Amino acid sequence: EAGVAQSPRYKIIEKRQSVAFWCNPISGHATLYWYQQILGQGPKLLIQFQNNGVVDDSQLPKDRFSAERLKGVDSTLKIQPAKLEDSAVYLCASSRDSATPSSGNTIYFGEGSWLTVV
Amino acid sequence: DQQVKQNSPSLSVQEGRISILNCDYTNSMFDYFLWYKKYPAEGPTFLISISSIKDKNEDGRFTVFLNKSAKHLSLHIVPSQPGDSAVYFCAASFYGQNFVFGPGTRLSVLP
Repeated sequence: EAGVAQSPRYKIIEKRQSVAFWCNPISGHATLYWYQQILGQGPKLLIQFQNNGVVDDSQLPKDRFSAERLKGVDSTLKIQPAKLEDSAVYLCASSRDSATPSSGNTIYFGEGSWLTVV
Repeated sequence: DQQVKQNSPSLSVQEGRISILNCDYTNSMFDYFLWYKKYPAEGPTFLISISSIKDKNEDGRFTVFLNKSAKHLSLHIVPSQPGDSAVYFCAASFYGQNFVFGPGTRLSVLP
């Protein structure tokens, strides 16, 4: 079974520029997550999709971050304009179904997209 | 407000000995707990999990213990191996949603 695919792996941009990250979840996984991990901290949820609907985007800085999951499969996360504090690893993850009792529901991560804003 | 805490940023253990990583949580609604391992330049990898209806789950060298009354869980690795050196994240969720991660503990297993 193929894992969660992310691209690009690494990106360096100047502040105020824009960047987009792409994610393809594990086949059959209905739920897709974008996490932000700053060095030395744990992953922080930015947005969670169930199929192509948003379940939780309460921690997404909506003035500069946007995400979409058209057709309920692939997803893109965009940052525009980028700030220095956006330098982090952006992790995409997926799970089978979030709308079930949590026992046995595990999320699987991709390798991450490393963003450096200079 | 940190709902999941890992108070030890780092831990060093001799090869062959037991590694114990601790995690505390504040939200009593959490009903499922997971441990992830992360190597440099890779994404977190699922290691082991436990439901709130259990107090122990074992998988090979890895055992997770849950103490609901204390809102505490721990990961035991026996025996520890150099390849276990990584950052370990504790995570908690409620009804399959809202996976919240701790800040991580860096484990170093010394040969």
